[in-house]
Parts: sequence; C-alpha cells; structure tokens
Amino acid sequence: LAKTTQPISMDSYEGQEVNITCSHNNIATNDYITWYQQFPSQGPRFIIQGYKTKVTNEVASLFIPADRKSSTLSLPRVSLSDTAVYYCLVGGSVTPTDSWGKLQFGAGTQVVVTP
Amino acid sequence: ETGVTQTPRHLVMGMTNKKSLKCEQHLGHNAMYWYKQSAKKPLELMFVYNFKEQTENNSVPSRFSPECPNSSHLFLHLHTLQPEDSALYLCASSRLPLAGGNTGELFFGEGSRLTVL
Repeated sequence: LAKTTQPISMDSYEGQEVNITCSHNNIATNDYITWYQQFPSQGPRFIIQGYKTKVTNEVASLFIPADRKSSTLSLPRVSLSDTAVYYCLVGGSVTPTDSWGKLQFGAGTQVVVTP
Repeated sequence: ETGVTQTPRHLVMGMTNKKSLKCEQHLGHNAMYWYKQSAKKPLELMFVYNFKEQTENNSVPSRFSPECPNSSHLFLHLHTLQPEDSALYLCASSRLPLAGGNTGELFFGEGSRLTVL
C-alpha cells in the first residue's frame, strides 16, 4: 500500500507561503500524486495532481523530486479562506489486489491561517 | 458545484429506523464511491462501484447496504444503525475506475451528515 505521511498541523499568517510535504516512500511507478482540500462538513476538493518535477495551476504548485518518494504542496500568499485540511493521495493504474489502498486518505494536514 | 449531488444533507434517525442516502453524479463518470468521515478521523473508504458493479467492500457492517442501479446513481441504505455510525457520509466519483486508468482524481459531493440517536 502506498501509505502517505503528512504533518498533523501547520500555522501560517495571511500573505505567507505555505509548504506541506507528504512522504510516500512506497510509491509505485504508475502512481500519481493528488492533493485535496477539505473544509469542515464538506467533501474534499481536488487541488492539483502531478507525476514528476513541478506542476503549477492557478491555486497551487506541486513539487516532486526525482525519486518521487515525497511531494510538496505550495500555497502562495495564503488567506484566511485557505484554512482547511489538506490531503495527499497516491494512486494510479494498479492491479486489483492493491487497488484498495490507492483510494485511502491519510490523516491530512490542518492548516490554520491567521491575520 | 462539483457535479456530485448528495441528499439529504442532514439526517437524524433512530436506531430502529430505515433510511437511505442518495448520490447522483452529472459528470458521466464510471466509478462511484462511499466514504465515511467520523469526527476527527480520516476518511474511510466503504464501498467502490466500477461500471455499476461493486468491486470493493471494506468489511463494512451489513447494516450498511449500497446500491448502484446505474452509473449515475448510488445509494446507501441504512438500517438498525448504532450511535457510533453518526458521521459525514461522502460520495465520490471518478471518470475511470482505479484499476482502469484512474490516477486518483476524485470528485466529491458535499456529504450527508448522519446523526443516530
């Protein structure tokens, strides 16, 4: 199973950059790395997905080193509305015997942004 | 708006009641999932349906019974629940099944908040 490990919580001030690192030492060749954001009492929302190197969209950037055993979600200039739990999920085309673990979320990282 | 709609948003039921949660996706996706999220806990995957066929069941108690009549609708039938079953139940969908090319991009509904008295 591609287990993921993230920090439990991170605090930041408005306008700062927040970087959340996820460890996935057992990532498989076909696995992609996907990050989600979840607000209280809502479903997780897709933020960004990548396979290697760097991916950037209008919301965040995702940095993946060459060995792909970790990934870092970067949120530039956070605001109060970025206070949420952030999850990384490792998944991809798999054999049926290990597909279950690819859909399992970890504990996530609670990010709190204060003025 | 994610294209995945869950009803009801809130449900209160007694331990002897029978109720159902409904999920509908308007995205043309072929896989649907039920997750449970209890307070202060990670999401727990409950059931997986690929092309209307149930492919995964994470040892969920029989008091939870899923149904997928077509690729756009997913139900979770509830009966004789326990207070510890109170949680946020989330439905998700993906364009492709996980073992069929899906890379992990899931679209979630807003969830159904269930309280069992």
